[in-house]
Amino acid sequence: GIQVEQSPPDLILQEGANSTLRCNFSDSVNNLQWFHQNPWGQLINLFYIPSGTKQNGRLSATTVATERYSLLYISSSQTTDSGVYFCAVVPGGFKTIFGAGTRLFVKA
Amino acid sequence: EPEVTQTPSHQVTQMGQEVILRCVPISNHLYFYWYRQILGQKVEFLVSFYNNEISEKSEIFDDQFSVERPDGSNFTLKIRSTKLEDSAMYFCANPSRGGYTFGSGTRLTVV
Repeated sequence: GIQVEQSPPDLILQEGANSTLRCNFSDSVNNLQWFHQNPWGQLINLFYIPSGTKQNGRLSATTVATERYSLLYISSSQTTDSGVYFCAVVPGGFKTIFGAGTRLFVKA
Repeated sequence: EPEVTQTPSHQVTQMGQEVILRCVPISNHLYFYWYRQILGQKVEFLVSFYNNEISEKSEIFDDQFSVERPDGSNFTLKIRSTKLEDSAMYFCANPSRGGYTFGSGTRLTVV
């Protein structure tokens, strides 16, 4: 089946710093989403981005479907950005496959 | 964004007991999914449900699991005889215009 790899696995940032999270996938996909899992365990949908670039405030994402990767940019990080960021893809059908996540900690 | 609601938010149960996790999907949606996340691990697909039938299930979804749509709007995930390793966060999800919308999750603790 499709492989979804996220990097880095862990990231520590000083508040105000910028970062880039990467998601590589091994086959073509119909759907790609980025989620933020908060400390309470909730999965918050950040972007639905099967291709192209989107921005929402300090966050933006780019997916290059032909090269099978997606990037999530976090600018001017805040302590509330801490948590786990998951990339999730739908290769075909409707089942969503998650990556292992990037655990982000932003220090005040 | 439309909401998917799950209850309870946290359930503690004794090993061997049956548990029922509930979900209210985006209204009138025919597709429905359950996922599981063991603490510290990735989110894993359990089962997909379409028009009152299971359309796909993973190897995790063995005979102790079942899904139902008891009253036409709510969906349930039943675990018949819980084991310690069933302790996890369980999410339900619906497809939506912005991809997939996940519920807030039920944290199941088996003791």
